[in-house]
Amino acid sequence: QQQVKQSPQSLIVQKGGISIINCAYENTAFDYFPWYQQFPGKGPALLIAIRPDVSEKKEGRFTISFNKSAKQFSLHIMDSQPGDSATYFCAAKGGATNKLIFGTGTLLAVQP
Amino acid sequence: EPEVTQTPSHQVTQMGQEVILRCVPISNHLYFYWYRQILGQKVEFLVSFYNNEISEKSEIFDDQFSVERPDGSNFTLKIRSTKLEDSAMYFCASSDVSDRELFFGEGSRLTVL
Repeated sequence: QQQVKQSPQSLIVQKGGISIINCAYENTAFDYFPWYQQFPGKGPALLIAIRPDVSEKKEGRFTISFNKSAKQFSLHIMDSQPGDSATYFCAAKGGATNKLIFGTGTLLAVQP
Repeated sequence: EPEVTQTPSHQVTQMGQEVILRCVPISNHLYFYWYRQILGQKVEFLVSFYNNEISEKSEIFDDQFSVERPDGSNFTLKIRSTKLEDSAMYFCASSDVSDRELFFGEGSRLTVL
């Protein structure tokens, strides 16, 4: 119930392409869904987040799509750049707990 | 831009030794957290701290772990008797409100030999 499942584990995309990372959750009490970007040797940094009252949120080249009925959300990176190469984690929290539950991470490599 | 700072960046210790990891959260934040990440794995919640007490902890956070806010700026994680499996990157995080963004530090890498 507390898990967040993330796929794929790794992703290779050509420069200018679209990167798509998917996450699924089971706990219907979750009400905050952030995506974090992590570069090697650094801490996770918030990229974009969504709450379940909207189905999509866009910030620049990054878009979260949220499907409440399917309990799934995804990150789309448009016009992917080599500088986007990093590990991306989805996460969720809500209900009686204040802790963030992280997905297993996706290692994205954008080839020039 | 305000940031969470952590020290040391890397600590090597012998099994059974005590370790203290230090964090300076963002100054106006009230909620403090420790997470850890074993190499190549996901980030896992350890403990949250608010109003000078633990508000939530995971099953990982057993009696060997403790947290403290010894003054108005520092937030520490102590591991009393380290085990090999405690080797990980430990991240401190803080937030101003419980349901807002968590800001993470750059982490302290702990290596237990």
